Amino acid sequence: DAGVTQSPTHLIKTRGQHVTLRCSPISGHKSVSWYQQVLGQGPQFIFQYYEKEERGRGNFPDRFSARQFPNYSSELNVNALLLGDSALYLCASQTSGGPGDTQYFGPGTRLTVL
Amino acid sequence: GQQVMQIPQYQHVQEGEDFTTYCNSSTTLSNIQWYKQRPGGHPVFLIQLVKSGEVKKQKRLTFQFGEAKKNSSLHITATQTTDVGTYFCAGLDNYGQNFVFGPGTRLSVLP
Repeated sequence: DAGVTQSPTHLIKTRGQHVTLRCSPISGHKSVSWYQQVLGQGPQFIFQYYEKEERGRGNFPDRFSARQFPNYSSELNVNALLLGDSALYLCASQTSGGPGDTQYFGPGTRLTVL
Repeated sequence: GQQVMQIPQYQHVQEGEDFTTYCNSSTTLSNIQWYKQRPGGHPVFLIQLVKSGEVKKQKRLTFQFGEAKKNSSLHITATQTTDVGTYFCAGLDNYGQNFVFGPGTRLSVLP
């Protein structure tokens, strides 16, 4: 079975632009979470989706939005990019997203904002 | 809000030496997970602890959850070069469903 996949692998944008990152969870998993990992720090929670509904939201500005599709894949959108948005964006897949669920992380998308 | 801290930030050991990283939360946790991230890689789940005072072992790795469910530790016996990476704890508080990650402990193992 394939693991969590994310695209693109790397992305370079300039300030003010917007970006869309994509994630496909493990087959059979219905929950997807998004994390931002700045170099040298731990992942910071952005969103969690389960069955296409937003289940949780971290402390990020409204420039960040996400959605989940009927096939459980997900997109993270970031508008009006800032230099500080440069980070590794990680997607984590879970069966149902419950408190005890193991999170399986994808390889991430490395976003550089110039 | 909930804060999760880890010490030390960095640890350099000689191969064969032991290693311990400590995780402390500002609030009581319903459970805690540990992850390992190799350089250039992504976090990989290691284990989850749920019960107060719980101890779990995976080969050379020993994980503990504090009695008060506010702290945890990971101990590696006789480190190997394959243990190199950053170890993160992630705590789930009693009110939310989302994990808060610590800043990690970066382990270097010298051959």
